[in-house]
Amino acid sequence: NAGVTQTPKFRVLKTGQSMTLLCAQDMNHEYMYWYRQDPGMGLRLIHYSVGEGTTAKGEVPDGYNVSRLKKQNFLLGLESAAPSQTSVYFCASSPSGLGGSTDTQYFGPGTRLTVL
Amino acid sequence: ELKVEQNPLFLSMQEGKNYTIYCNYSTTSDRLYWYRQDPGKSLESLFVLLSNGAVKQEGRLMASLDTKARLSTLHITAAVHDLSATYFCAVEFNQGGKLIFGQGTELSVKP
Repeated sequence: NAGVTQTPKFRVLKTGQSMTLLCAQDMNHEYMYWYRQDPGMGLRLIHYSVGEGTTAKGEVPDGYNVSRLKKQNFLLGLESAAPSQTSVYFCASSPSGLGGSTDTQYFGPGTRLTVL
Repeated sequence: ELKVEQNPLFLSMQEGKNYTIYCNYSTTSDRLYWYRQDPGKSLESLFVLLSNGAVKQEGRLMASLDTKARLSTLHITAAVHDLSATYFCAVEFNQGGKLIFGQGTELSVKP
């Protein structure tokens, strides 16, 4: 099992450009999440999905859109990138809503995005 | 609004010493998670604490949860260099699997 994978690993954008980050998981998990990590602020939830075809907003959704057309994939889009979106982006997945006694979130390797 | 605060944010320890990282959260939650992150790497799950009084141990790390005090601790016993990393606690928010993370504690263990 590859677990959770993210594409690309690094990207540099100019202000106003758009891009899509791809997250894929092979664990048949229902829930998927996108976070951003900034120094001194921990991880903040951007959007999440509780199943194929569903999406919902997290703590910091502005400037991002997501789609979950297939259960194993969760896409994060930036329509018009801004320097404030420079960050490390992590995708995660979990079997369900963390209802099980050992359920936790499994994280991908991250994407380092710089917006100039 | 749920807030999760860790203390300290930076910790420099000598090998062999003991220390505790604290995680306070502001509203009721029965589930708390600890993760480890090595520099430039992803997050790795350490502990899942599901109820008041829960205690879990793995090697030199022991985590506990007091839901009444809204406090979790991560205790490090006889630290070794391999424990150098950033440690995050996270609390489940409104059920449904959403986590709110603390700021992280950057631990450096020196010989």
